[in-house]
Amino acid sequence: DQQVKQNSPSLSVQEGRISILNCDYTNSMFDYFLWYKKYPAEGPTFLISISSIKDKNEDGRFTVFLNKSAKHLSLHIVPSQPGDSAVYFCAASGEYGNKLVFGAGTILRVKS
Amino acid sequence: EAQVTQNPRYLITVTGKKLTVTCSQNMNHEYMSWYRQDPGLGLRQIYYSMNVEVTDKGDVPEGYKVSRKEKRNFPLILESPSPNQTSLYFCASNPTGVGETQYFGPGTRLLVL
Repeated sequence: DQQVKQNSPSLSVQEGRISILNCDYTNSMFDYFLWYKKYPAEGPTFLISISSIKDKNEDGRFTVFLNKSAKHLSLHIVPSQPGDSAVYFCAASGEYGNKLVFGAGTILRVKS
Repeated sequence: EAQVTQNPRYLITVTGKKLTVTCSQNMNHEYMSWYRQDPGLGLRQIYYSMNVEVTDKGDVPEGYKVSRKEKRNFPLILESPSPNQTSLYFCASNPTGVGETQYFGPGTRLLVL
């Protein structure tokens, strides 16, 4: 039973437009959420995070929104750039202390 | 340069032949962990270590062993590999716990025949 779900395996966006990647979770004990980006043949790299006490966190072109009542978070990338093309993983922690639970990932393709 | 290194990067082996994947970090991090990445399943945690001599199971520990004798090293041991352990493996570390940013190694692609 996947506790963190990314229901869109892939997303294609035109350069300059907004990319919205979605993530749903089932465990209400999760209190910290992260997004990682992964290029081929490399390890994931941290992108942005949000604590459950917030509903929005922004870092440059990247903004993460958290809706606790819906158990949903989203990552907005504005404007999207071809270099943003990668696999994006949503992850959550909380209930198990030091365990990080990942979603299956969404492949983002930004077309120029 | 601050980094997490893994060796080997690619490995083909046969069922039952013991192997070790090494992981080392030069950031003096206390927390280290191993993940495997499989299509449609994302990254799943195998084992983690809060500090030297302290290790614990993640979500998919069966068939794996780890040790943490020194802070910088966290090897992953497959005593008797099986084809269902064919996967992409990542080692990660961070200063004290999973709530902080984790730094990932480049990955080890393992094929068990």
